[in-house]
Amino acid sequence: NAGVMQNPRHLVRRRGQEARLRCSPMKGHSHVYWYRQLPEEGLKFMVYLQKENIIDESGMPKERFSAEFPKEGPSILRIQQVVRGDSAAYFCASSPGQETPQYFGPGTRLTVL
Amino acid sequence: AQSVTQLDSHVSVSEGTPVLLRCNYSSSYSPSLFWYVQHPNKGLQLLLKYTSAATLVKGINGFEAEFKKSETSFHLTKPSAHMSDAAEYFCVVSAANTNAGKSTFGDGTTLTVKP
Repeated sequence: NAGVMQNPRHLVRRRGQEARLRCSPMKGHSHVYWYRQLPEEGLKFMVYLQKENIIDESGMPKERFSAEFPKEGPSILRIQQVVRGDSAAYFCASSPGQETPQYFGPGTRLTVL
Repeated sequence: AQSVTQLDSHVSVSEGTPVLLRCNYSSSYSPSLFWYVQHPNKGLQLLLKYTSAATLVKGINGFEAEFKKSETSFHLTKPSAHMSDAAEYFCVVSAANTNAGKSTFGDGTTLTVKP
């Protein structure tokens, strides 16, 4: 059983471009979570999704950030018009249900030039 | 509401000596608690979890943690540190009855192991 997959592992964007981060949950997992780890900081919750639904987006910045988890395909975290402050590691996690351990992907390291 | 406090941002031990990484939590509901480890430039790996069963939880690589409700603590221990244990460790709380099921991470403890 493959673990949580994230791609790309490293992403470089210039200010103003768009960044798309993908997450494929573990087989059988229908819950996906996105976290952001800023340099020298811990992980902060961004958004929690189930298939085709956003359950909790209380950690998402109000502008430029969006997430989806379609019926088919991976979950996508989209950042429009990136700024230098968006440079961080973005981790995706999946679980089979609430209150079960979340299994984390390797992360995508976004660098904004 | 829930929160996690990792009491030490850095811990340094000598190889072969015990490890203690401290974590206190607060939660309005019965919590599930986890410890994750993150090696440099790697993803997160689950070390162990507490989900209202036995209060002493054994994890991988010789780590264990004890859930103490009276002290709202979930400290991570290992009897003898190994060089490969050097990493960042995160204590995580996830409470039942939350609509989100989201986890709250501590700020992390960097463990250094000296030869």
